[in-house]
Parts: sequence; C-alpha cells; structure tokens
Amino acid sequence: DAGVTQSPTHLIKTRGQHVTLRCSPISGHKSVSWYQQVLGQGPQFIFQYYEKEERGRGNFPDRFSARQFPNYSSELNVNALLLGDSALYLCASSLAEISTDTQYFGPGTRLTVL
Amino acid sequence: GQQLNQSPQSMFIQEGEDVSMNCTSSSIFNTWLWYKQEPGEGPVLLIALYKAGELTSNGRLTAQFGITRKDSFLNISASIPSDVGIYFCAGVTGANSKLTFGKGITLSVRP
Repeated sequence: DAGVTQSPTHLIKTRGQHVTLRCSPISGHKSVSWYQQVLGQGPQFIFQYYEKEERGRGNFPDRFSARQFPNYSSELNVNALLLGDSALYLCASSLAEISTDTQYFGPGTRLTVL
Repeated sequence: GQQLNQSPQSMFIQEGEDVSMNCTSSSIFNTWLWYKQEPGEGPVLLIALYKAGELTSNGRLTAQFGITRKDSFLNISASIPSDVGIYFCAGVTGANSKLTFGKGITLSVRP
C-alpha cells in the first residue's frame, strides 16, 4: 500500500511569489496535518484538517492557508513568500483526528525561497 | 508556548553501546511519541506511549512515559550503524492530533 505522498519533492521560488504544496494521505485516512521543519529544528504544526474542515491551526501568519478535498487529499498554500519560509514541509495523515491515532508522515517538500 | 527539551543536540557512540535520550517539558502531555528521521525522509514513528508510567519496547528500543507526564526517555540497546539519524520526541495534549516536537538529537554510531 502506498504511504503518504507529497508533491513536488523540491521547489525553488523567489520572495513575494506564492506556492502550492500537495499531499495525498494513506488510503482510508481522513485526517491530514501540515508541519514546517526548518533546518536543525523539529517540525512545527501548521494545520490539521479532518473531513474537509480545519480542526487546528498553529502559530503561523495568514499567508499560510490550506484545504482538504472530498478525496481527503490536501493542499497547503503560502502567499507572499519570505526567505524564512524556506523549509521542509511535511504532511501527516491519520485515520481520525483523535490524539491516539498514529500519524504517518510523508517525505516532505523541500521549499527554497531566494 | 509549549516546548519539549531535548539535549544534547548530538550524541556519538560506539557500535554495540547502549544510549539513552531524555525529553522534558514544563507542560503536561497525554501522549508521548518518539520518531526517527533520516536524510530526505519524513519522521517515522518508533514508539507511542499513552499512559503515565507506561514502559514500552520495540525490538532494541525501550521508552517510558514519565509519571509526572512531563518527561519521557528512549533507550537504544546494542546500537548498530543503521541507528544513525535524528531522534525526535513529540507530545500530544488535547483531543486533536497536533504534535509538539522537540529539536531532536542527532545520533552517530562509530563502527
């Protein structure tokens, strides 16, 4: 069975541009969460979506937005990119939204902002 | 905000040695998790702990959920070269599945 998949694997953008990152959860998983991992740090929670509704938001500016589609895949959008947005963006899926559900991470999208 | 503290940042051990990693917090967590991340990959779950005092093993790995719910440790016994990677602790507090991660410990194993 396929795990969590993310696209693209790498992306280079310039300041001020916007970017869309995509995530496909494990088949049957209805919850998708997004994390930002800056080099040398642990992942930081951005959003959680369950059944197409936002269920949690981390401490990120409004330039960050996300949505979940009827097939449970998800997009993360970042507008007006800053140099500090350069990071590995991770998507994790789980069966439901409860804390005891195991979250499985994808390989991430490496975003570089020049 | 909530923070998980992991130190030191890096650990260097000889193949065959045991190693222990701690994770502490000033806040209470209801679930503690240990992940391993290798270059170019996302974190992979090693052990999940759901009850205070719980001790759980997964092969050569053993982890415990602290009684106070503010700490956890991970032990790796008889280390091998493939244990190399970054080890993260993570905690969950509320009803949703938001994970709070530590900064990670980079483990190097000398053959």
